[in-house]
This record gives sequence, C-alpha cells and structure tokens, in this order.
Amino acid sequence: GEDVEQSLFLSVREGDSSVINCTYTDSSSTYLYWYKQEPGAGLQLLTYIFSNMDMKQDQRLTVLLNKKDKHLSLRIADTQTGDSAIYFCAETSPGDKFYFGSGTKLNVKP
Amino acid sequence: EADIYQTPRYLVIGTGKKITLECSQTMGHDKMYWYQQDPGMELHLIHYSYGVNSTEKGDLSSESTVSRIRTEHFPLTLESARPSHTSQYLCASSDSTTNEKLFFGSGTQLSVL
Repeated sequence: GEDVEQSLFLSVREGDSSVINCTYTDSSSTYLYWYKQEPGAGLQLLTYIFSNMDMKQDQRLTVLLNKKDKHLSLRIADTQTGDSAIYFCAETSPGDKFYFGSGTKLNVKP
Repeated sequence: EADIYQTPRYLVIGTGKKITLECSQTMGHDKMYWYQQDPGMELHLIHYSYGVNSTEKGDLSSESTVSRIRTEHFPLTLESARPSHTSQYLCASSDSTTNEKLFFGSGTQLSVL
C-alpha cells in the first residue's frame, strides 16, 4: 500500500496557529484530505484539495500542497480548545482505496 | 452533513457471543468500508464493498464477515466474539463515480469481556 506519514503530537496555546504536516509517497494521488476525529467519534471531513492545486483556504483552515515534495499541511488559525482532536491526513486516486496517516493528536492549552 | 448511521453506538458483550454491527447510508453510495481503530490509533481497513453482492477483505486480517445485499446496508458480523475484538469499528462510504469524499459513521465501540 501507499505510505502516508504524520507526526504523532502537536501542542499549541489557544490563539496561536497550528500547523499539522503530512507526507505521502504516491505521486499519482489525485485527492488529499484532512479529517478530524474527536474522542470516541467517527472521522469528520474537514477539507480536501485536488492535486492540481497549491492552496485552499476555508475560514480558519488553510491547506498547502507541495506536490514536488509530496508534502501536505493543514494550518489552523487562532486555534481554540475545541480544535483539540486527532487530525488524519488521507489520499486517494480514482478507483483506488483511501490511504490514511496514523493521525496527529493536537492539544490546545488554554 | 454525512448521512451514514451505525448502531449500536456502544456494545458490551461476553466472550463467545455472536454480534452484528449495523451500518446504513442514504446517499446512494456504491462503495462501503469497515475500519477497525484502537483508541487514538491509526485506522485499519478490514472489509470493503464496491456494490451489491461484492465484498472484499481489507488490509488487516479480521475474523469478522460482511454482506452487501442492499446498496444502503453493510452489516459486519462476528460469529464468536473474543476480548481481542475489543475496538472501535468505523463504517464509511464513498461514490465511485467521483471517489472524491469518504464519509464516516459515528462508530461502534465494542467491548468483549
């Protein structure tokens, strides 16, 4: 299968920006995603980006894609305690399965 | 908002019992998936289906079985539950014509005593 890697933990203070990073190996990836999972819940789709895009912004969320380096990042501006969760990076191509990273646990300190 | 539902939300049972975890979606998606996840850990694909009467085993070996008799329904069955089956089970679905988005249910937290 394809490899999708993320760092395991990130701790920030409330009001700061958070940047969660992800690297992947499949150069043919077409769609890349960020999911959020709160304790005991399913995964919630936060945002996604097509591989022909460099950046996508949606309110406090900014996704950056460096296709050359196969690097995806999620920036959360003005991080709140409610943003504390596990964030999963994922990628897929038409007809292929979804491949997930192992998740980054974001801890927001008040 | 995703229209994919899992029941029960929580289940505590004794060893040796047969259980079925339910998953239904109302989005008309042809692809459905079951993932197993230990708390705070990565997801493991255990079963998937590309349509009615189609089922495949995933990347992680599992003693569970699935069926897909109707498009909207993808139940998972454990014939004889064991403590090693204690985990969270997440159902998901996607539309193969676009394969753009994967939607998840809220999950079933299974505890086998």
